[in-house]
Amino acid sequence: SYDLTQPPSVSVSPGQTANVTCSGENLGEKLASWYQQKPGQTPVLVMFQDKRRPSGIPDRFSGSNSGNTATLTITGTQATDEAVYFCQAWDGSTLSVFGGGTRLTVL
Amino acid sequence: QEQLKESGPGLVKPSGTLSLTCSITDIPISNYLWTWVRQTPGKGLQWLGYFQDNGGNHYNPSLANRISMSVDTSKSLFSLTLTSVTTADTALYFCARGYNYGIGGHFDIWGPGALVTVSS
Repeated sequence: SYDLTQPPSVSVSPGQTANVTCSGENLGEKLASWYQQKPGQTPVLVMFQDKRRPSGIPDRFSGSNSGNTATLTITGTQATDEAVYFCQAWDGSTLSVFGGGTRLTVL
Repeated sequence: QEQLKESGPGLVKPSGTLSLTCSITDIPISNYLWTWVRQTPGKGLQWLGYFQDNGGNHYNPSLANRISMSVDTSKSLFSLTLTSVTTADTALYFCARGYNYGIGGHFDIWGPGALVTVSS
């Protein structure tokens, strides 16, 4: 089965840049998506097709994907960005997988 | 307004059958992957599978012999059935609208989730 690996936690100071990584075999040959989930809330799509932002997502969120690693970058991180971030990709066209999630702490 | 909302029994007995329905509002059924995702307490997300009008079903292999999904187009309802449940199936179940474009895909609209507890 295809696996996506994320660090359990990332810490960042307010105003700094946070990088959340997601690793999988040849992930760069697929298109990655990212979801933000705040406590008690539904996951929200924040990035799709590696680097496209849905309407309403601030432009401080950006994405990249190359080799075996996709990265979600938050520039000028704000306290409101504190959440768990999940990456997601498809293994072929019939099986989707999520990473284990990264808790982003802004402190 | 486009939205999804899950409903169904919150408690299922072990070895029983879990049945959930997702009400689809203001979204056409065609052209999307109607998807179920679950989240165990304090844990990550697990993709369960999808139904696509004219495209059939595809399920997570770990559940393939217990799971089924269907869509009632006339009522805009998307259903999940999971048989022979155990406590490991206790989770928050989400329905979501999905896209698949060959080498990728994403889920852009999610329901609020329905908590299902498996317990005697």
